[in-house]
Amino acid sequence: NAGVMQNPRHLVRRRGQEARLRCSPMKGHSHVYWYRQLPEEGLKFMVYLQKENIIDESGMPKERFSAEFPKEGPSILRIQQVVRGDSAAYFCASSRSTGRSGNTIYFGEGSWLTVV
Amino acid sequence: ELKVEQNPLFLSMQEGKNYTIYCNYSTTSDRLYWYRQDPGKSLESLFVLLSNGAVKQEGRLMASLDTKARLSTLHITAAVHDLSATYFCAGRTGIQGAQKLVFGQGTRLTINP
Repeated sequence: NAGVMQNPRHLVRRRGQEARLRCSPMKGHSHVYWYRQLPEEGLKFMVYLQKENIIDESGMPKERFSAEFPKEGPSILRIQQVVRGDSAAYFCASSRSTGRSGNTIYFGEGSWLTVV
Repeated sequence: ELKVEQNPLFLSMQEGKNYTIYCNYSTTSDRLYWYRQDPGKSLESLFVLLSNGAVKQEGRLMASLDTKARLSTLHITAAVHDLSATYFCAGRTGIQGAQKLVFGQGTRLTINP
């Protein structure tokens, strides 16, 4: 049973380009979360999705950032017109549910975005 | 709004010593998580604490939860160099079906020979 798979692991973009990060949750998991970790900081919640639905996007910047989790395929975090301040590690996590049976949330290896 | 605070943020200790990392949270959280992160790596789940008084142990690490005090601790016994890492605690918040984790700032632990 593969873990949470993220790609690319490392991405370099020039200012103004688009970054697209992908996340495949663990098998059987229908809940996906995206977190951002700036250098030397903790993880900050961005967005929580279930299949085809955005449940909570309270941590997403109002502009340039979007996320989706289609019925088929991975979840995608998209950052348009990147700026240097977007440089960070972006972690995806998944869980089976949020009820008592969904105790553990598993994190992917992360995607490190560098904007030059 | 749930806020989670850890202390200390930096901890340097010698092998063989014991120490405790503290995690305070501001409002009700129905569970408390502890994660470990090595530099440039992802988060490794250590413990999930579900109820008041819960205590879990794995090797030299022991985590406990006091929901009345809104406090969780991660105790390290007889530290070894391999435990050097950053440790995060996280509480869970939100309504049923729309819950998320809120992380503390992390505690960077360095264990010296």
